[in-house]
Amino acid sequence: DAKTTQPNSMESNEEEPVHLPCNHSTISGTDYIHWYRQLPSQGPEYVIHGLTSNVNNRMASLAIAEDRKSSTLILHRATLRDAAVYYCILRALIGTGNQFYFGTGTSLTVIP
Amino acid sequence: DTAVSQTPKYLVTQMGNDKSIKCEQNLGHDTMYWYKQDSKKFLKIMFSYNNKELIINETVPNRFSPKSPDKAHLNLHINSLELGDSAVYFCASSQDRWGPNTGELFFGEGSRLTVL
Repeated sequence: DAKTTQPNSMESNEEEPVHLPCNHSTISGTDYIHWYRQLPSQGPEYVIHGLTSNVNNRMASLAIAEDRKSSTLILHRATLRDAAVYYCILRALIGTGNQFYFGTGTSLTVIP
Repeated sequence: DTAVSQTPKYLVTQMGNDKSIKCEQNLGHDTMYWYKQDSKKFLKIMFSYNNKELIINETVPNRFSPKSPDKAHLNLHINSLELGDSAVYFCASSQDRWGPNTGELFFGEGSRLTVL
């Protein structure tokens, strides 16, 4: 059962910013928000994660709503290589370890 | 060096057969996972295994059984295969610590199982 909801698909023009939304209204106080992406015929790869504050890394930025019930992954300049399925995930503390709950993902198409 | 490796990459078999998929990670991680990805690209956790503690997703049929000979390996054995078992199975690993700088999942390339 997915704990996050995302649009099925989005399109972006090359070299334009992309904002990928995610809703996670049942998030608990200790859950981290992670984003992964899956290129065709590959396993998912890590993009970014955060808890409460906005986060930036070389791949993307993560904007987290103040109530933490939603977040947005921001790709600052989409390239053709960014075409992938993007998954918004909650990382929960189960016992003493991690448990990751994937959503259905957003398939991003980048138009040249 | 491949961080998380799975074999075989492709597996085609008949209904009713028993098959295994192997997974190895060389990252020194404490926790390993099996995920199933269906045709709609939905990734669902099947198992996680940490320090001999197995956490099972209760929706997984008991025909599926994970076996971990050591911390670096988590194999998936499937008995009496059914048509609905056709999917891509991903192995993953993570460092089993809780905190802001941990928790990255590393995935293998997947094993595509086709049941005829």
